[in-house]
Amino acid sequence: AQKVTQAQTEISVVEKEDVTLDCVYETRDTTYYLFWYKQPPSGELVFLIRRNSFDEQNEISGRYSWNFQKSTSSFNFTITASQVVDSAVYFCALRETGANNLFFGTGTRLTVIP
Amino acid sequence: GAGVSQSPSNKVTEKGKDVELRCDPISGHTALYWYRQSLGQGLEFLIYFQGNSAPDKSGLPSDRFSAERTGGSVSTLTIQRTQQEDSAVYLCASSLADRGREQFFGPGTRLTVL
Repeated sequence: AQKVTQAQTEISVVEKEDVTLDCVYETRDTTYYLFWYKQPPSGELVFLIRRNSFDEQNEISGRYSWNFQKSTSSFNFTITASQVVDSAVYFCALRETGANNLFFGTGTRLTVIP
Repeated sequence: GAGVSQSPSNKVTEKGKDVELRCDPISGHTALYWYRQSLGQGLEFLIYFQGNSAPDKSGLPSDRFSAERTGGSVSTLTIQRTQQEDSAVYLCASSLADRGREQFFGPGTRLTVL
Protein backbone atom coordinates (compact mmCIF):
# COMPACT_ATOMS: atom_id res chain seq x y z
CA ALA A 1 0.00 0.00 0.00
CA GLN A 2 1.15 3.49 -0.69
CA LYS A 3 2.18 5.69 2.19
CA VAL A 4 3.61 9.16 2.66
CA THR A 5 5.26 10.16 5.92
CA GLN A 6 5.98 13.69 6.96
CA ALA A 7 7.46 13.14 10.37
CA GLN A 8 7.80 16.82 11.21
CA THR A 9 4.45 18.02 12.40
CA GLU A 10 5.51 21.58 13.14
CA ILE A 11 8.69 23.55 12.51
CA SER A 12 9.53 27.08 13.59
CA VAL A 13 12.46 29.01 12.18
CA VAL A 14 13.64 32.57 12.39
CA GLU A 15 13.45 34.59 9.20
CA LYS A 16 16.41 34.09 6.85
CA GLU A 17 17.20 30.66 8.22
CA ASP A 18 17.21 27.67 5.90
CA VAL A 19 14.73 24.88 6.60
CA THR A 20 14.25 21.39 5.19
CA LEU A 21 10.92 19.61 5.20
CA ASP A 22 11.18 15.85 5.07
CA CYS A 23 9.04 13.47 3.05
CA VAL A 24 9.43 9.70 2.95
CA TYR A 25 7.20 7.55 0.81
CA GLU A 26 6.38 3.90 0.28
CA THR A 27 5.19 2.33 -2.94
CA ARG A 28 5.55 -0.93 -4.82
CA ASP A 29 5.24 0.80 -8.16
CA THR A 30 8.30 1.50 -10.24
CA THR A 31 6.57 4.41 -11.92
CA TYR A 32 5.05 7.05 -9.73
CA TYR A 33 4.83 10.79 -9.21
CA LEU A 34 5.68 12.92 -6.22
CA PHE A 35 4.33 16.36 -5.46
CA TRP A 36 4.66 19.18 -2.98
CA TYR A 37 1.82 21.56 -2.20
CA LYS A 38 1.69 24.64 0.00
CA GLN A 39 -1.39 25.55 2.02
CA PRO A 40 -1.12 29.10 3.34
CA PRO A 41 -3.46 30.42 6.02
CA SER A 42 -5.95 31.35 3.30
CA GLY A 43 -6.52 27.63 2.87
CA GLU A 44 -6.04 27.07 -0.85
CA LEU A 45 -3.60 24.33 -1.81
CA VAL A 46 -0.92 25.70 -4.12
CA PHE A 47 1.03 23.37 -6.40
CA LEU A 48 4.81 23.69 -6.02
CA ILE A 49 6.46 20.83 -7.87
CA ARG A 50 5.92 17.48 -9.57
CA ARG A 51 8.58 14.86 -10.00
CA ASN A 52 8.30 11.50 -11.75
CA SER A 53 10.12 8.46 -10.45
CA PHE A 54 12.53 8.32 -13.37
CA ASP A 55 13.83 11.80 -12.86
CA GLU A 56 16.11 11.99 -9.84
CA GLN A 57 17.63 15.28 -10.82
CA ASN A 58 17.33 17.79 -8.05
CA GLU A 59 15.47 20.96 -8.84
CA ILE A 60 15.89 24.53 -7.73
CA SER A 61 13.35 27.28 -8.13
CA GLY A 62 14.40 30.51 -6.55
CA ARG A 63 14.67 29.93 -2.81
CA TYR A 64 13.06 26.50 -3.12
CA SER A 65 14.90 23.29 -3.85
CA TRP A 66 13.94 19.64 -3.84
CA ASN A 67 16.10 16.58 -3.25
CA PHE A 68 14.69 13.32 -4.63
CA GLN A 69 16.50 10.16 -3.62
CA LYS A 70 14.97 6.86 -4.70
CA SER A 71 17.52 4.90 -2.67
CA THR A 72 16.02 6.28 0.54
CA SER A 73 12.50 6.88 -0.84
CA SER A 74 12.71 10.50 0.12
CA PHE A 75 11.65 13.72 -1.53
CA ASN A 76 12.77 16.53 0.73
CA PHE A 77 12.04 20.21 0.29
CA THR A 78 14.40 22.99 1.33
CA ILE A 79 13.61 26.66 1.65
CA THR A 80 16.67 28.88 1.83
CA ALA A 81 16.60 32.30 3.47
CA SER A 82 13.08 31.72 4.74
CA GLN A 83 10.58 34.56 4.77
CA VAL A 84 7.44 35.20 6.78
CA VAL A 85 5.37 34.56 3.65
CA ASP A 86 6.67 30.98 3.65
CA SER A 87 4.60 30.28 6.77
CA ALA A 88 2.12 27.61 5.72
CA VAL A 89 1.36 23.93 5.90
CA TYR A 90 3.33 21.96 3.33
CA PHE A 91 2.06 18.66 1.98
CA CYS A 92 3.98 15.97 0.20
CA ALA A 93 1.89 13.67 -2.02
CA LEU A 94 2.32 10.51 -4.05
CA ARG A 95 0.46 9.25 -7.08
CA GLU A 96 1.06 5.73 -8.24
CA THR A 97 0.69 4.88 -11.91
CA GLY A 98 -2.57 3.03 -11.54
CA ALA A 99 -4.09 5.40 -9.03
CA ASN A 100 -6.54 8.13 -9.84
CA ASN A 101 -5.84 10.23 -6.79
CA LEU A 102 -3.05 11.83 -4.83
CA PHE A 103 -2.16 10.26 -1.50
CA PHE A 104 -1.13 13.00 0.88
CA GLY A 105 1.12 13.06 3.88
CA THR A 106 -0.17 14.64 7.05
CA GLY A 107 1.61 17.91 6.36
CA THR A 108 4.26 20.00 8.09
CA ARG A 109 3.27 23.35 9.54
CA LEU A 110 6.09 25.83 9.01
CA THR A 111 6.16 29.05 10.98
CA VAL A 112 8.71 31.67 10.05
CA ILE A 113 9.27 34.13 12.86
CA PRO A 114 10.23 37.67 11.88
CA GLY B 1 -6.94 32.07 -16.82
CA ALA B 2 -9.42 31.38 -14.07
CA GLY B 3 -8.61 28.75 -11.52
CA VAL B 4 -10.87 26.17 -9.93
CA SER B 5 -13.84 27.77 -8.25
CA GLN B 6 -16.08 26.34 -5.58
CA SER B 7 -19.33 27.42 -4.02
CA PRO B 8 -20.43 28.12 -1.44
CA SER B 9 -17.28 29.04 0.44
CA ASN B 10 -18.99 28.26 3.72
CA LYS B 11 -22.02 26.17 4.50
CA VAL B 12 -23.64 25.66 7.87
CA THR B 13 -26.38 23.10 8.05
CA GLU B 14 -28.32 21.13 10.60
CA LYS B 15 -27.80 17.46 11.16
CA GLY B 16 -30.01 15.42 8.84
CA LYS B 17 -30.25 17.99 6.08
CA ASP B 18 -28.91 17.49 2.56
CA VAL B 19 -26.22 19.75 1.10
CA GLU B 20 -24.87 20.35 -2.37
CA LEU B 21 -21.37 21.63 -3.05
CA ARG B 22 -20.37 22.92 -6.46
CA CYS B 23 -17.08 22.89 -8.35
CA ASP B 24 -16.12 24.63 -11.58
CA PRO B 25 -12.85 23.19 -12.90
CA ILE B 26 -10.26 24.94 -14.99
CA SER B 27 -11.38 25.16 -18.59
CA GLY B 28 -9.89 22.33 -20.64
CA HIS B 29 -9.20 20.10 -17.67
CA THR B 30 -10.87 16.76 -18.23
CA ALA B 31 -10.02 15.28 -14.84
CA LEU B 32 -11.86 16.42 -11.71
CA TYR B 33 -11.34 15.31 -8.14
CA TRP B 34 -13.04 15.79 -4.81
CA TYR B 35 -11.09 15.57 -1.56
CA ARG B 36 -12.03 16.18 2.05
CA GLN B 37 -9.80 17.81 4.61
CA SER B 38 -10.58 17.36 8.27
CA LEU B 39 -8.55 17.67 11.44
CA GLY B 40 -8.51 14.02 12.30
CA GLN B 41 -8.21 12.55 8.83
CA GLY B 42 -6.00 14.90 6.86
CA LEU B 43 -6.61 15.07 3.12
CA GLU B 44 -8.77 12.22 1.87
CA PHE B 45 -9.69 11.38 -1.69
CA LEU B 46 -13.41 11.08 -2.35
CA ILE B 47 -14.14 10.72 -6.06
CA TYR B 48 -12.54 11.15 -9.49
CA PHE B 49 -14.06 11.98 -12.88
CA GLN B 50 -12.24 11.64 -16.17
CA GLY B 51 -14.04 12.63 -19.33
CA ASN B 52 -16.98 10.34 -20.04
CA SER B 53 -15.56 7.39 -18.14
CA ALA B 54 -17.31 5.95 -15.12
CA PRO B 55 -16.19 7.84 -12.01
CA ASP B 56 -13.89 6.31 -9.43
CA LYS B 57 -16.02 6.42 -6.29
CA SER B 58 -13.67 4.36 -4.15
CA GLY B 59 -13.06 7.15 -1.67
CA LEU B 60 -16.66 7.97 -0.82
CA PRO B 61 -17.10 7.24 2.90
CA SER B 62 -20.74 6.17 2.76
CA ASP B 63 -23.72 5.94 0.45
CA ARG B 64 -24.88 9.30 1.76
CA PHE B 65 -22.21 10.82 -0.48
CA SER B 66 -22.64 11.13 -4.22
CA ALA B 67 -21.32 13.30 -7.00
CA GLU B 68 -22.05 14.03 -10.58
CA ARG B 69 -20.35 15.92 -13.34
CA THR B 70 -22.51 17.41 -16.01
CA GLY B 71 -21.24 18.01 -19.53
CA GLY B 72 -17.73 17.14 -18.54
CA SER B 73 -17.36 20.39 -16.65
CA VAL B 74 -19.17 21.45 -13.48
CA SER B 75 -19.42 18.94 -10.66
CA THR B 76 -21.75 18.74 -7.69
CA LEU B 77 -21.00 16.79 -4.53
CA THR B 78 -24.12 15.90 -2.58
CA ILE B 79 -24.21 14.78 1.02
CA GLN B 80 -27.53 13.44 2.19
CA ARG B 81 -28.70 13.33 5.79
CA THR B 82 -25.59 15.13 7.00
CA GLN B 83 -23.90 14.04 10.20
CA GLN B 84 -21.59 16.01 12.47
CA GLU B 85 -18.64 13.92 11.33
CA ASP B 86 -19.20 15.28 7.82
CA SER B 87 -17.93 18.66 9.00
CA ALA B 88 -14.77 19.37 7.01
CA VAL B 89 -13.39 21.40 4.16
CA TYR B 90 -14.34 19.89 0.83
CA LEU B 91 -11.75 20.54 -1.86
CA CYS B 92 -12.16 20.20 -5.57
CA ALA B 93 -9.24 19.87 -7.98
CA SER B 94 -8.82 19.54 -11.71
CA SER B 95 -6.03 18.49 -14.01
CA LEU B 96 -5.22 17.63 -17.56
CA ALA B 97 -5.95 14.04 -18.53
CA ASP B 98 -2.50 12.56 -17.95
CA ARG B 99 -2.52 10.90 -14.53
CA GLY B 100 0.89 12.25 -13.71
CA ARG B 101 -0.14 15.83 -14.15
CA GLU B 102 -0.42 18.19 -11.26
CA GLN B 103 -3.82 18.88 -9.78
CA PHE B 104 -4.95 22.43 -9.22
CA PHE B 105 -7.14 22.98 -6.22
CA GLY B 106 -10.02 25.31 -5.54
CA PRO B 107 -10.45 27.32 -2.35
CA GLY B 108 -12.71 24.71 -0.79
CA THR B 109 -16.10 24.71 0.87
CA ARG B 110 -16.08 24.67 4.66
CA LEU B 111 -19.03 22.56 5.79
CA THR B 112 -20.22 22.75 9.37
CA VAL B 113 -22.93 20.36 10.52
CA LEU B 114 -24.58 21.44 13.75
